Parts: sequence; C-alpha cells; structure tokens
Amino acid sequence: LAKTTQPISMDSYEGQEVNITCSHNNIATNDYITWYQQFPSQGPRFIIQGYKTKVTNEVASLFIPADRKSSTLSLPRVSLSDTAVYYCLVVGSGWSSASKIIFGSGTRLSIRP
Amino acid sequence: NAGVMQNPRHLVRRRGQEARLRCSPVKGHSHVYWYRQLPEEGLKFMVYLQKENIIDESGMPKERFSAEFPKEGPSILRIQQVVRGDSAAYFCASSPVSYNSPLHFGNGTRLTVT
Repeated sequence: LAKTTQPISMDSYEGQEVNITCSHNNIATNDYITWYQQFPSQGPRFIIQGYKTKVTNEVASLFIPADRKSSTLSLPRVSLSDTAVYYCLVVGSGWSSASKIIFGSGTRLSIRP
Repeated sequence: NAGVMQNPRHLVRRRGQEARLRCSPVKGHSHVYWYRQLPEEGLKFMVYLQKENIIDESGMPKERFSAEFPKEGPSILRIQQVVRGDSAAYFCASSPVSYNSPLHFGNGTRLTVT
C-alpha cells in the first residue's frame, strides 16, 4: 500500500492560492491519486482525482510530476469556507485494492480574513 | 438524487447496550464502506461490503462488531455491549461498480457511550 505524507496543518488568507503537497514515494503503476475535503461534523467530500500531469475541475487543480512520487492540490483564491481538512489518498485500480482506501490524518487548512 | 443517508445522526448508549447504525447508499451503488473517526484524527477503515457479502473486514474488531449489507434494505453496523472506547463518529460511504469511482460519504453517526 502506498503511504502518503502531507503537512499536518497550513494557514492562509482569503484570496490567496493554496498549494498542499502530498508525497507518495511507493505509488504503484496502477494507483490513482485522490483528494477529499472534510468539514467539521460532515463526511469527506471528493474533490479531484488524477493519474499523471495535470487535472483541473471547477474546485481545484491537481499537479502530478512525471515520477508520480508526489502531487500538489492547488486551491485558487481561497475563501473562509475552504477551511477544512484535506486528505490525500492513493487508490489502486484492481479488485483487491477496492477495499484499501486508506485515509491518513490529512492537512488541516485554516483560512483567515 | 439522494446521497448516502445515515441514521441516526446522534446515538447515545450506556455501557453494555447495543448500537445499530444504518446506512442507505446512493441509489444504484452496490459497494459500501464503513469508517470510524475519533476526534482530531483521520478516518480508519473498518469494513467493505457488497450486497450480501463481506469483502474485507480487516479493520473491524473481531469481537462485538458486525456488519451486513442485505439484498434489500440498508447496510447495518452493529456494536454489541458497547464500551466508552466505542464513542466516535462512524461514517458510511458508497460507490458504484467502477473501482476508481470516488466514494460518496454520509454525514455520519456520532455514537456516545455513557
């Protein structure tokens, strides 16, 4: 199982771009990188998923270098409502990997006015 | 479309009682996952089920805990003879058949054991 490492916490200000980096040195060929967001008293919510290079959606961008040993979640122009815990996961694509969706401790992002 | 529904949202049990947590997955989703979360910690995998089958229960304590996902009806996580250490938030997630599909989470059941 590819273990992920990400900062425990980060602070930023409204209107700034926030980049959260996750390392996954042991990522396997068939693994995907997935990010979730969790607000207090709620379940995690899927943000974005990618395999390589760059993925962008209406919420965030995900940058994955060629060696895939790390990835960066980029949140453009954050607001107070982006204060949450962000989880980086590495998820396998095979049947035996379906149950190995492991959440770490995540990055606690605090946005200030 | 309704998301994952968990009930009850809050459950209080005295030590020794039984707790039953229910999860209705997104319509059409046949994969269900249960996670437990302690305050200020990440989610810990407990069990992965498909309709009428337990696929992986490696994260679930061997005693007092059981889970099911019957052909009809919600998935149930059952904790017998609860102890104070069982107090936590329990989250259910579902996904369709595709293995790379994102998980859809409910808002959890917060169990408090007094």
